Amino acid sequence: NAGVTQTPKFQVLKTGQSMTLQCAQDMNHEYMSWYRQDPGMGLRLIHYSVGAGITDQGEVPNGYNVSRSTTEDFPLRLLSAAPSQTSVYFCASSGIRPWTGNTGELFFGEGSRLTVL
Amino acid sequence: GQQVMQIPQYQHVQEGEDFTTYCNSSTTLSNIQWYKQRPGGHPVFLIQLVKSGEVKKQKRLTFQFGEAKKNSSLHITATQTTDVGTYFCAGGGSARQLTFGSGTQLTVLP
Repeated sequence: NAGVTQTPKFQVLKTGQSMTLQCAQDMNHEYMSWYRQDPGMGLRLIHYSVGAGITDQGEVPNGYNVSRSTTEDFPLRLLSAAPSQTSVYFCASSGIRPWTGNTGELFFGEGSRLTVL
Repeated sequence: GQQVMQIPQYQHVQEGEDFTTYCNSSTTLSNIQWYKQRPGGHPVFLIQLVKSGEVKKQKRLTFQFGEAKKNSSLHITATQTTDVGTYFCAGGGSARQLTFGSGTQLTVLP
């Protein structure tokens, strides 16, 4: 099992460019999510999904889009990159059935470091 | 929305000293999780607490969940250099989300 795989690991963009961060998991997890990590601010939830075809917004969704066409993949799209989106992005998945109300143990990818100039 | 505050932000200890980090939520939590992130790495799950007043131990680590399910703590006894990293709490609320605290960065001096 590879677990949660994120690509790319590093990316530099110019303001206004668009790109997609890829996330794939091979654990058959229904719950997937994207976080961004900035110094001193912990991890902030961007978007999450409780299954294929279902997505919802987290704490900081503006400027990002997601889709969940399969159980395995959960790409994060930056529509028009801004310097404020410079951050480390983590994808995470969980195997706990979402309708229990509790998010289970999150398995994180290794992160994608994005710089927007 | 739900907010989870974590203190202290930084902690430097001599190897062998104890260490504690605290989390407080603005709302009652359904559960709380703890994660450790080594420098340059990704967060790794340590434990989940669900019950009011719950206490769990993992070797030198002791985790507590408050009676009101609004606060939690992680205590490390006799720190070692391998304990270096940032410790995060993450609170689960009514929605299917985890709200992370800002983390406590632990430095252990040999």
